[in-house]
Amino acid sequence: DAKTTQPNSMESNEEEPVHLPCNHSTISGTDYIHWYRQLPSQGPEYVIHGLTSNVNNRMASLAIAEDRKSSTLILHRATLRDAAVYYCIGSSGSARQLTFGSGTQLTVLP
Amino acid sequence: EAGVAQSPRYKIIEKRQSVAFWCNPISGHATLYWYQQILGQGPKLLIQFQNNGVVDDSQLPKDRFSAERLKGVDSTLKIQPAKLEDSAVYLCASSLSGMNTEAFFGQGTRLTVV
Repeated sequence: DAKTTQPNSMESNEEEPVHLPCNHSTISGTDYIHWYRQLPSQGPEYVIHGLTSNVNNRMASLAIAEDRKSSTLILHRATLRDAAVYYCIGSSGSARQLTFGSGTQLTVLP
Repeated sequence: EAGVAQSPRYKIIEKRQSVAFWCNPISGHATLYWYQQILGQGPKLLIQFQNNGVVDDSQLPKDRFSAERLKGVDSTLKIQPAKLEDSAVYLCASSLSGMNTEAFFGQGTRLTVV
């Protein structure tokens, strides 16, 4: 199983970039790295996922280390609406299901 | 596009009572998940369906929890009898085909067992 490790909490100032780190040293070569976020009183929301190369979408960028033992989610310009718990997830189990950890609570300061 | 629908949003029951939650996934999504999220923790997978078959239910407490997905569309999750420690948010999610595809979550059902 791909166990992930993230800081419990991080702070960022509004309109500045945010780099959220994740360690996943036990990830297998075929496991994707997924990021979801959860706003208060909401279900988790997909952010981005990738396998080896860096990925970009309208929400964020995902930078994956060459050895795949760590990755960084990059929010290019944090807004107050980005305050949420961010989960870095490796797929695991026979069905490659999403296994959530405790995540990183991101606080965005105005 | 309509999202994943769950009902009820909130439920309060006494311990030893039974309760059922309903989920309607996004149309065309073959994979359906039920997660349990206890306050302050990340969601924990209870069961995963592929169409109407169970793919993984290794973390489902089968002595009290049951789930079904008839006709590969809607799903229900039941708890009978409920315990205090079952108080949590129950999240339903669906995805097109499981592995490495985006999962869409409903808003969840908040269960309080008193």
